[in-house]
Amino acid sequence: QKEVEQNSGPLSVPEGAIASLNCTYSDRGSQSFFWYRQYSGKSPELIMSIYSNGDKEDGRFTAQLNKASQYVSLLIRDSQPSDSATYLCAVDSSYKLIFGSGTRLLVRP
Amino acid sequence: DTAVSQTPKYLVTQMGNDKSIKCEQNLGHDTMYWYKQDSKKFLKIMFSYNNKELIINETVPNRFSPKSPDKAHLNLHINSLELGDSAVYFCASSQEAGNEQYFGPGTRLTVT
Repeated sequence: QKEVEQNSGPLSVPEGAIASLNCTYSDRGSQSFFWYRQYSGKSPELIMSIYSNGDKEDGRFTAQLNKASQYVSLLIRDSQPSDSATYLCAVDSSYKLIFGSGTRLLVRP
Repeated sequence: DTAVSQTPKYLVTQMGNDKSIKCEQNLGHDTMYWYKQDSKKFLKIMFSYNNKELIINETVPNRFSPKSPDKAHLNLHINSLELGDSAVYFCASSQEAGNEQYFGPGTRLTVT
């Protein structure tokens, strides 16, 4: 069974800090990697996708991918209380996405 | 404009009943999915259809039957509901299987 592992948290950071969220995956054949944000009681919302090794930046978000280490991360700069949510890592495997259990992020004002 | 919509948003029913959840997407995507998110928030794929054809059928009880009348619609029918079926069910769509997926608002099913 292909797996995606995330630390469940909560990860607590002060407002304005950098939040670092990590994810490891087991399927070496995976080519596409995604980060979703899910607020309590809401549906997952796609915030970043990354397909090649290295960094990809979009506003305050940076996704990092290292296929050799089977590792994906998401950095959130200048964290805001509105970033408090659960962040789900998703990895493609055999034409479907395998989701991690999510890391709960808490940004303290 | 709503991209992926689901009805109903809430569904409360008794054990043994049969119920359906409907999903529609107006993104022009070819692939649609059903996910179940349990109380521990783990999101697990149940089914996937590509252009009306079933391509993923995870280990799901036969009481669950998806139907895709066209590529913009994917419905989920559940027979003989059990307490363990209580969860939030999400519909999602993507341009191709394995690509970026966009989720509907979810249907919270409570079986009493």
